[in-house]
Amino acid sequence: QVQLQESGPGLVKPSETLSLTCTVSGGSISGYYWSWIRQPPGKGLEWIAYIHSSGSTNYNPSLKSRVTISVDTSKNQFSLKLSSVTAADTAVYYCAKICCGGATHDYWGQGTLVTVSS
Amino acid sequence: QSALTQPASVSGSPGQSITISCTGTSSDVGTYNLVSWYQQHPGKAPKLMIYEVSKRPSGVSNRFSGSKSGNTASLTISGLQAEDEADYYCCSHAGSSNYVVFGGGTKLTVL
Repeated sequence: QVQLQESGPGLVKPSETLSLTCTVSGGSISGYYWSWIRQPPGKGLEWIAYIHSSGSTNYNPSLKSRVTISVDTSKNQFSLKLSSVTAADTAVYYCAKICCGGATHDYWGQGTLVTVSS
Repeated sequence: QSALTQPASVSGSPGQSITISCTGTSSDVGTYNLVSWYQQHPGKAPKLMIYEVSKRPSGVSNRFSGSKSGNTASLTISGLQAEDEADYYCCSHAGSSNYVVFGGGTKLTVL
């Protein structure tokens, strides 16, 4: 059973960079695509980006200029960096595994709340 | 890349059936059979309920079913139970650029 766990600071100051890591256990990160998805308080889900274990990436065009996603297969981890954050970036951030075809996310982390505030 | 359109809320009584719609465009739902549906209870992570329009993951009740017609996908829940009360999100592969797009979510209330 694959498990995902997000980690990183819960509080980030405006204009700084949000950094999160997702650690995958119970299976290898190799050969799959992995996503970051966020959910502002009381709102819906928003896809941020995904990465293949080979390093191939794809970004939500509305966030692309501020987002970097990377993978470390030796640690079975992938990471998210979001620069120049504002209060609008306050959200629960989820990491998830993509399976099957296209946009199917079959395993999710529990999510981590990141608050942007001074 | 716009969000898929879902009704904000639906409701039904125990034992009844409800359907949640998810309307996209010819660039996403209409072209690709890559629509998935997620159930989210308060404070919890989303759970995959349907993938590739109508396939059910192992362990998901057969009371949940999915379909698609044109640019609109649908999730039907039959024999409503109190535990089905949750938010539901659709998701689709989008465009030749291989993006991912979610719907705005639908709150299901079991009366």
